[in-house]
Amino acid sequence: GNSVTQMEGPVTLSEEAFLTINCTYTATGYPSLFWYVQYPGEGLQLLLKATKADDKGSNKGFEATYRKETTSFHLEKGSVQVSDSAVYFCALTLSGNTPLVFGKGTRLSVIA
Amino acid sequence: GAVVSQHPSWVICKSGTSVKIECRSLDFQATTMFWYRQFPKQSLMLMATSNEGSKATYEQGVEKDKFLINHASLTLSTLTVTSAHPEDSSFYICSARNVGGTGKGFDEKLFFGSGTQLSVL
Repeated sequence: GNSVTQMEGPVTLSEEAFLTINCTYTATGYPSLFWYVQYPGEGLQLLLKATKADDKGSNKGFEATYRKETTSFHLEKGSVQVSDSAVYFCALTLSGNTPLVFGKGTRLSVIA
Repeated sequence: GAVVSQHPSWVICKSGTSVKIECRSLDFQATTMFWYRQFPKQSLMLMATSNEGSKATYEQGVEKDKFLINHASLTLSTLTVTSAHPEDSSFYICSARNVGGTGKGFDEKLFFGSGTQLSVL
């Protein structure tokens, strides 16, 4: 089956620290990969995506590279801010007509 | 941008009662909405796909008679947890697909509500 595994949280970092949230996947086909973010009290929002191997998605200083050889899509940011505190979800889909498959989510807390 | 409103944000109810959760697309029409559930420390799991004007499609292991889904209009889908029990306590979240969106990617047409935390005593 299709599944997403992401690192357990919560993750607590000081402002300007480097962030990595690991995400690996298993899929029966060739998936598109996503990172969603949920800020407190809000719905999930698409943060970035990659649709083929070696693609790099980026947004708001976050990056993730689609690694087919390691079936991974790790999220990174060089310098986190307090405003980045949120829950981050890694997800995949095999086609535009199939629902997203999510990881468990990783809660990030950034302290000043 | 497109907005999906989900209510209530949290609800506490007694065992045996029914709880209705609403998911509304505020500025677009959604022929398809998805309902997810997340137990503590678990993944968001798809429960069902709600199609306007037709019966919902439930994922394996989800009781359709317990989790009633109604998608009577292009902007509203409801999930009713009937005869709720403590084991139904979970985080429920909906998403809606904007068929009229200008984005070409799957993700550019999918928008999420803020979720409902259900606690059954």
